[in-house]
Amino acid sequence: QITLKESGPTLVRPTQTLTLTCTFSGFSLTTSGVGVGWIRQPPGKALEWLALIYWDDDKRYSPSLKSRLTITKDTSKNQVVLTMTSMDLVDTGTYYCAHRPSYDWFDPWGQGTLVTVSS
Amino acid sequence: QSVLTQPPSASGTPGQRVTISCSGSSSNIGTNTVNWYQQFPGTAPKLLIYNYSQRPSGVPDRFSGSKSGTSASLAISGLQSEDEADYYCETWDDTLNAVVFGGGTKLTVL
Repeated sequence: QITLKESGPTLVRPTQTLTLTCTFSGFSLTTSGVGVGWIRQPPGKALEWLALIYWDDDKRYSPSLKSRLTITKDTSKNQVVLTMTSMDLVDTGTYYCAHRPSYDWFDPWGQGTLVTVSS
Repeated sequence: QSVLTQPPSASGTPGQRVTISCSGSSSNIGTNTVNWYQQFPGTAPKLLIYNYSQRPSGVPDRFSGSKSGTSASLAISGLQSEDEADYYCETWDDTLNAVVFGGGTKLTVL
């Protein structure tokens, strides 16, 4: 059974850097074709993809947020870390990590973690 | 403004068939596989359809997906009250080099 869980701060001040960790089990990020992605959702709004990292360390970023994002993996800990710099009020939302089994879809998703940006 | 266009809302009565559209372009739906997710309030999205029309284990066959040109559709037949949720389409865009989601469709069962 594959599970993922997001962890990190619930409150971030404007201009600060957000660091989120996705801890997973039931699969390995050393398996060919496998990836982990980050997706966020502002309150009452649509899903927005942020970043992807694959088994071979190939990294992909949302073009609109690329300058602010860094995604890394620690295969020994079964973790993927996302950092987002220069946090702003509009970055408030639920952040999800998800398993990408073969380059093409997300399944399953973590439960999500709500991040509020406020001074 | 989402790259993939979905109607913001859809509705139907129990037992009806409802279709949700997802319109894209040659750089996304026209070229790459389309997936659909179902999301209930306060919960994480769940994969509903992958690779245009495949259903993960446990998804009822009332749910089906299709593609025509640069558009995809999700159909729900025999609508049930528990189908009331938000639905999102998703694919890869070759020009943007990015995962793209539709804006979501809120399905109401009347």
